[in-house]
Amino acid sequence: GQSLEQPSEVTAVEGAIVQINCTYQTSGFYGLSWYQQHDGGAPTFLSYNALDGLEETGRFSSFLSRSDSYGYLLLQELQMKDSASYFCAVLSGNTPLVFGKGTRLSVIA
Amino acid sequence: DTGVSQDPRHKITKRGQNVTFRCDPISEHNRLYWYRQTLGQGPEFLTYFQNEAQLEKSRLLSDRFSAERPKGSFSTLEIQRTEQGDSAMYLCASSTNRAQETQYFGPGTRLLVL
Repeated sequence: GQSLEQPSEVTAVEGAIVQINCTYQTSGFYGLSWYQQHDGGAPTFLSYNALDGLEETGRFSSFLSRSDSYGYLLLQELQMKDSASYFCAVLSGNTPLVFGKGTRLSVIA
Repeated sequence: DTGVSQDPRHKITKRGQNVTFRCDPISEHNRLYWYRQTLGQGPEFLTYFQNEAQLEKSRLLSDRFSAERPKGSFSTLEIQRTEQGDSAMYLCASSTNRAQETQYFGPGTRLLVL
């Protein structure tokens, strides 16, 4: 089966940088996605890594190391509106998108 | 395009009743997914369709759960003989074939079983 591990909670200061880690175990790995979900809202797609390395999209970057079964989401210049839950999700040959339990990010002033 | 829509947004039912939820995907998306999400957890995959074909249904939680997408457009998720443990948010998402990693989620249907 598949499993993902990510921290349950992270707190960071407005304007700072925060990294949310994700480790996974799966067979037939294709890639790692990241989603953001605000309280009461639907998950929204942030980024996807199929190859090793860093993908940058504005203030958000995502990294993947396939050999280490590890990835992270990096959020820079944190804003209060970034307070949300962040999910990593693996795409594999067996099942489309298996989500982790999520990391709740709290941005404080 | 108005995005993925789901109906109803909220449903309260009594234990033992049947409920049916509807999902309308983004029109050009041929893949449609159903998830369940409980508080503090990530979306839990239930089933998915490519056009009208249901490609994976082994993750449906029990034989009380069934889903259809008869014309390859909208989909329905039915739960028969509801139980209190079925209370959750039921999310629908859609994607293209080529970009399965980029799923667009609807607002969800929140089910409460009394």
